[in-house]
Amino acid sequence: GAGVSQTPSNKVTEKGKYVELRCDPISGHTALYWYRQSLGQGPEFLIYFQGTGAADDSGLPNDRFFAVRPEGSVSTLKIQRTERGDSAVYLCASSASSGSSRNEQFFGPGTRLTVL
Amino acid sequence: AQKVTQAQTEISVVEKEDVTLDCVYETRDTTYYLFWYKQPPSGELVFLIRRNSFDEQNEISGRYSWNFQKSTSSFNFTITASQVVDSAVYFCALVNYGGATNKLIFGTGTLLAVQP
Repeated sequence: GAGVSQTPSNKVTEKGKYVELRCDPISGHTALYWYRQSLGQGPEFLIYFQGTGAADDSGLPNDRFFAVRPEGSVSTLKIQRTERGDSAVYLCASSASSGSSRNEQFFGPGTRLTVL
Repeated sequence: AQKVTQAQTEISVVEKEDVTLDCVYETRDTTYYLFWYKQPPSGELVFLIRRNSFDEQNEISGRYSWNFQKSTSSFNFTITASQVVDSAVYFCALVNYGGATNKLIFGTGTLLAVQP
């Protein structure tokens, strides 16, 4: 499979718990994005990685959210002390190169997070 | 501010009808890219088209066509002879050129239901 993959596909957790969501981008793609999609809404930007570094994390809603990409490939989005309002589909996308807004972003299937 | 508005929340048509999905955008930048994505029930966002702000030429791809008009800040999408498989949520999105992030700014989407 050459596409973006995300695991798990579904995650149910209890309020206050910690969760990790994983994204495996298309091989060779240096740019990686996380978006969050709430029911009935369009995806909203969370964070952007260029290589290993977070080039823009302005979309993270608060300090309970954190993401890493230690080797410039797989990324993990981490959410501490989850709240019911965190329930959404978390989408990951990758694109071929940095600095080009023309590049198509390829999206993964998403992780549906439900916080009870 | 950058914003994408898709005023049509839901559209229902009968198979073989033509349907147009509206998209209006706002940006202060003179150079930008516009995108359309399809999100079928499976949830994965599928890229349909990219258009840069300097190219107002309309584009046709099979049953799909796009009408970009800078004068009205619109980038509308028409499906000719719709089919049941076209049923999905369609998102219009904007990226500003040369930005550090190249994050996509999405509209709220239009749910298209094509009835047999």
